[in-house]
Amino acid sequence: AQSVTQPDIHITVSEGASLELRCNYSYGATPYLFWYVQSPGQGLQLLLKYFSGDTLVQGIKGFEAEFKRSQSSFNLRKPSVHWSDAAEYFCAVTNAGKSTFGDGTTLTVKP
Amino acid sequence: GAVVSQHPSWVICKSGTSVKIECRSLDFQATTMFWYRQFPKQSLMLMATSNEGSKATYEQGVEKDKFLINHASLTLSTLTVTSAHPEDSSFYICSARFPVNTEAFFGQGTRLTVV
Repeated sequence: AQSVTQPDIHITVSEGASLELRCNYSYGATPYLFWYVQSPGQGLQLLLKYFSGDTLVQGIKGFEAEFKRSQSSFNLRKPSVHWSDAAEYFCAVTNAGKSTFGDGTTLTVKP
Repeated sequence: GAVVSQHPSWVICKSGTSVKIECRSLDFQATTMFWYRQFPKQSLMLMATSNEGSKATYEQGVEKDKFLINHASLTLSTLTVTSAHPEDSSFYICSARFPVNTEAFFGQGTRLTVV
């Protein structure tokens, strides 16, 4: 069975600082991995996805993620965080359209 | 990209009544759609898998008689919450699987409040 672990429940960073959100997955074959962002009361917005190929994936809003098979990880990064990045972030693994989500990481941005 | 539309975006209903939520794939045909539920401050949990023309498959612990799913066409799946109670208040999100692909696209979600 597929599963996703996001070890950090809550992360606080200062505006302008770099960010890394961790994601570990468990899946038997080649995983299809996604990062989503959710603002309060809103739906999911896709930040980026990995299917195959280059293990460093670029997404929207300046985010990137790196797939590391040896570590079963798909960590999300951003070099300089903006106050508008404060939100809930979900990592997900998908198989045949069915998505399994991590518990999410709440990002707080300090001015 | 592919677009999935959910309707309504939010709904308030009285306890004991039923409410229907629609999920439509606007620019592709989806043989499989999925329904998720998200309680406040929690992650999304899969409720059921909806296959066009057949019965839905429910996850363990989800009451199939309470959450009726119909997938009568390749572009529409509906979730009906029957005899809703305050504990059913939640955010319901659907997704539709893109053909010949493992990816699914999400609707914008429906906020259900039962009073």
